Amino acid sequence: EVQLVESGGGLVQPGGSLRLSCVASGFTLSTYAMNWVRQAPGKGLEWVSVISGGGGNPYYADSVKGRFTISRDNSKNTLYLQMDSLRAEDTAVYYCAKERVTFDSWGQGTLVTVSS
Amino acid sequence: DIVMTQSPDSLAVSLGERATINCKSSQSVLNSSNNKNYLAWFQQKPGQPPKLVIYWASTRDSGVPDRFSGSGSGTDFTLTISSLQAEDVAVYYCQQYYSTPYTFGQGTKLEIK
Repeated sequence: EVQLVESGGGLVQPGGSLRLSCVASGFTLSTYAMNWVRQAPGKGLEWVSVISGGGGNPYYADSVKGRFTISRDNSKNTLYLQMDSLRAEDTAVYYCAKERVTFDSWGQGTLVTVSS
Repeated sequence: DIVMTQSPDSLAVSLGERATINCKSSQSVLNSSNNKNYLAWFQQKPGQPPKLVIYWASTRDSGVPDRFSGSGSGTDFTLTISSLQAEDVAVYYCQQYYSTPYTFGQGTKLEIK
C-alpha cells in the first residue's frame, strides 16, 4: 500500500525558514516524479513544485520560485521542500503527491503557519 | 499559464439524481501526438487530502465507482455523477497536467439538496 507521510510543518515568523519532509513507502520512490501541492485555509489547491524520479528537472510555481527548493533522497525514500524567506501568504497545508500520470497518491499534509 | 475555470461554484443535488460539474481551460490540454487530454478530476472531503477520481479526462482511477464519469476534449470538460450518493458530498477540482505550472480549478462544492 502506498503511504506518504509529511512532517516538518509548524509556526514560523515571516522571513524564516522551514524544511518539510515526505517519507514514502509501498512503492519505489525513484520510479516516480514527486510534487508538493498546498492549500491555504479554506481555499483551493495550488501546485508548488515537482521533481523528477532521478532528482533532476525541478519546476516551481512563480509564487515560490527563488525561495523554495525541492529535493529528494531516494536512498532514504524521502522528498523534501526547503522553504526560505517565508511570507504570510505561504500559510497552508502542504501535501506531497506521487505522480503517476498525475497526482494519484497524496499524504495527509503538514500545516505551515507564517505569522509573527 | 493555463487557467482552469469550473462551474458552478456550488451545487445541490438530491440523492439518486445526476450531478454535473464543468471545467474550462484557457487553452487546449489535448496532446495531438497521443490524442490524450491532460485533464484530471479530484474529490476532496473535509479534513482529507484530495483523491484522484478521473485522469486522461475520462479514465476512472482504481476503485472509483462507475457512477463517476468524465467527458470532454480540448478546452471543455465535464464530471458527471450519475446517481448521487451521500458519500459523494465533497469539493471537486479539475486539474490540467499538460504543462507546468500544473493548475487547478477553483473547486465546486457538491451538497445534498
